[in-house]
Amino acid sequence: NAGVTQTPKFQVLKTGQSMTLQCAQDMNHNSMYWYRQDPGMGLRLIYYSASEGTTDKGEVPNGYNVSRLNKREFSLRLESAAPSQTSVYFCATGAGRVTGELFFGEGSRLTVL
Amino acid sequence: DQQVKQNSPSLSVQEGRISILNCDYTNSMFDYFLWYKKYPAEGPTFLISISSIKDKNEDGRFTVFLNKSAKHLSLHIVPSQPGDSAVYFCAASEEYSGGGADGLTFGKGTHLIIQP
Repeated sequence: NAGVTQTPKFQVLKTGQSMTLQCAQDMNHNSMYWYRQDPGMGLRLIYYSASEGTTDKGEVPNGYNVSRLNKREFSLRLESAAPSQTSVYFCATGAGRVTGELFFGEGSRLTVL
Repeated sequence: DQQVKQNSPSLSVQEGRISILNCDYTNSMFDYFLWYKKYPAEGPTFLISISSIKDKNEDGRFTVFLNKSAKHLSLHIVPSQPGDSAVYFCAASEEYSGGGADGLTFGKGTHLIIQP
């Protein structure tokens, strides 16, 4: 039982390049989230998907796009990477109203040069 | 404007003593509060939570206290153990008032160091 799986775990990009972070869950949760963690900034919500077919902006959505491919998968795309997007990205899932608890993947460390 | 604040970036506590981590919030719509623990190179993991209808929740060595009038919560760890050394994030949501699927708002975290 993998829980929440993120790929890739590490990536180095040049400014202007594009890439997609993948997230898959086997917890049968409706809600999925993308957070970024920066030193001294905690975890900030980029985008979320409350259910299959819906996506909404979080606190820091600029420069990102998302796709909720199906119930299991939620991808985060950087169309034109910038050094300010150097961060650790975490995907999370949640059952929604039930408990509020989120389950996180191990993170994807992205460096933009 | 930061809605969830953890004003202590780090805290050092001797093994066996009590660790107290503090968290303040400004959004009065928050009605569910959680603490997450994070080790380096791992994702955050859920530790303990409390609903706004309670003022205390206990789980083994971990107790969370909520003071709604002060918009303050704290996490107590007794006794502290070396494995408790980690970054602790306070988080909040509008679980019951806002639907709960909007995600959690996190504080910046407190790095707890347990000294042997």
